[in-house]
Amino acid sequence: DIQMTQSPSSLSASVGDRVTITCRASQSISNYLNWYQQKPGKAPKLLIYAASSLQSGVPSRFSGSGSRTDFSLTISSLQPEDFATYYCQQSYSTPWTFGQGTKVEIK
Amino acid sequence: QLQESGPGLVKPSETLSLTCTVSGGSITGYYWSWIRQAPGKGLEWIAYIYYSGSTNYNPSLESRVTISVDTSKNQFSLKLTSVTAADTAVYYCARVGGNFFHFDYWGQGTLVTVSS
Repeated sequence: DIQMTQSPSSLSASVGDRVTITCRASQSISNYLNWYQQKPGKAPKLLIYAASSLQSGVPSRFSGSGSRTDFSLTISSLQPEDFATYYCQQSYSTPWTFGQGTKVEIK
Repeated sequence: QLQESGPGLVKPSETLSLTCTVSGGSITGYYWSWIRQAPGKGLEWIAYIYYSGSTNYNPSLESRVTISVDTSKNQFSLKLTSVTAADTAVYYCARVGGNFFHFDYWGQGTLVTVSS
């Protein structure tokens, strides 16, 4: 199985901050990397697919980058509604696997 | 829109059965998947099925899982046998979109508790 490791596991930030979350794959996954946002009690929501493609309807302050084993999700200016847990997911090979999550909290 | 349905409580050693109903669009042409999340934990992919019936399972669950599709009802289903407390989780159904196999539409999730 391909292991996905996110860092940090949690972070505290203020509204307006630039936030970056990283995700590392245990082997090359090309650009088969997706990012999701999950709020408490809700289903995950797709933000980014194919490492850097913004899902329709997602604000442009979200961006993704990377390839092969190293990826990042950046929120350019954190908004109150962005406080949530973020997951990366590889879809290069089955079993599809997720990172452990990064919880973004209010400072 | 996707909507999970099924019992919220299952006894240990019994079979968990869930159905996902797809509305507002056709089930044909897409892959469909089940994902679960134990309380306070991360996400675990369980299986996918193509509308034509081809399947792929997570090896960690493969011996106990069956996924099926009913295109006439626009539904797909999950069966998990011999459940234990470790199978207690919120179960999500999701559509697998595009060429990059991302989960672009999700159901709201349904909590299944395994307890006697």
